Parts: sequence; structure tokens; C-alpha cells
Amino acid sequence: NAGVTQTPKFQVLKTGQSMTLQCAQDMNHEYMSWYRQDPGMGLRLIHYSVGAGITDQGEVPNGYNVSRSTTEDFPLRLLSAAPSQTSVYFCASSYSWGPGNTIYFGEGSWLTVV
Amino acid sequence: DQQVKQNSPSLSVQEGRISILNCDYTNSMFDYFLWYKKYPAEGPTFLISISSIKDKNEDGRFTVFLNKSAKHLSLHIVPSQPGDSAVYFCAAQSPRADRGSTLGRLYFGRGTQLTVWP
Repeated sequence: NAGVTQTPKFQVLKTGQSMTLQCAQDMNHEYMSWYRQDPGMGLRLIHYSVGAGITDQGEVPNGYNVSRSTTEDFPLRLLSAAPSQTSVYFCASSYSWGPGNTIYFGEGSWLTVV
Repeated sequence: DQQVKQNSPSLSVQEGRISILNCDYTNSMFDYFLWYKKYPAEGPTFLISISSIKDKNEDGRFTVFLNKSAKHLSLHIVPSQPGDSAVYFCAAQSPRADRGSTLGRLYFGRGTQLTVWP
């Protein structure tokens, strides 16, 4: 009963380094997305995908890349890490997009950029 | 531009009493609303939702009320238990990718920290 799995749970990066946050779901969900949570800010959408091969930008996409080669996986790439990207990242998925489709979240990835 | 607002960052309630968490929204296109609960170091977990065609939805101790004319919803927890202590996020979803929105996007409030004390 894995649901949405994110790795790594914790990561420290130096400014300018790149890395990939992994996300996988085993529920055959079409819709996947990445959010970041900053203190006092709620969750903000970074990128989303409505199916394999289809991605689009959310509210705060700058500095991040995504791809969706399979239904199960939706990795988030930080191209050149900056201290402003220090945050908690949540991957989420749902059966489809639109109202009535409950979105399920992973446990989060804590990223610190120094 | 915060389209979903939770104006109370914290709420403290005695065990057994009612907890009422409030949420306001500004976008009249929103037609589906959700509450998520989040414990420290965990991801948000879905709690309860309501469609805009309803004004109330109940699930055990949790009831969500929606007042569309006031663009306001609230989550009632009765009776409150210490295990309910968590951050509660209100979220809203629009039916389509209209201007300023994104397919399937959840618009989150900033959360309310609920503390239930014995």
C-alpha cells in the first residue's frame, strides 16, 4: 500500500548544484503534481502533469524542470540550486484532474540549499 | 494574490469541545473544496471535501459547511481529541483551466494550527 513515494526525504545542496527529487505512485493515477511549502505560505504548485508525456507549469515553476515518461514516475529536477529553493517539496497524484478527484500527497522531501 | 485565506494561524481547544476552523475564498469559479490535515514531517492527508452544489458534508466527527454567497467554508470537529492536533489546510479547486488558474490545481490557504489540550 505504497501510495505516493518520494525520495530523498532530506537533502542538503550547495548553491549551483543540481539534483532530482523522485516521485512514484502505484495507484495508476493520471494526474501528478509537485508543490512546495514554505513557512506561512501554504502549498504552491510548481509543475503538474495530466498524463505520460504531458507536463505544464504551475504557479512557481522557475528553476525547476519535470518530465513524465511513465504514468508512475514524475521527477522534479533542480537545475542550479539557489537558497530560495530551500523548502519542503510534496509530490501529489490523483486519478484525474478536476473537482471531485481527491489529491493524495507523498510524505515530503526537505531540501536545504546552502 | 491569496485566493484562499485562513485568517487564524492557530486555534486552541479543550478536548471534548468543538473546533471550528474557518476559510474564505475570493474566486467565484471555485466549485470544490477540500480540507487537509498535516502532522509535522508528514505530507498532507485528505480529510473531507464538499462540492459547491452542497452546503454541508459530514464524515464522522468532521463536518464541512459551505456558504457560497459569503465565499466562506468552515470545518467543525466534534468532539475534539488530542490526536486532532495538527495543521489544517483549506484548499479550493476550479473546474477548468480558466484565466489565472491551472488544470486541477489546488489553491491552498496558509493553514491553521489546531491544538487540542486535555
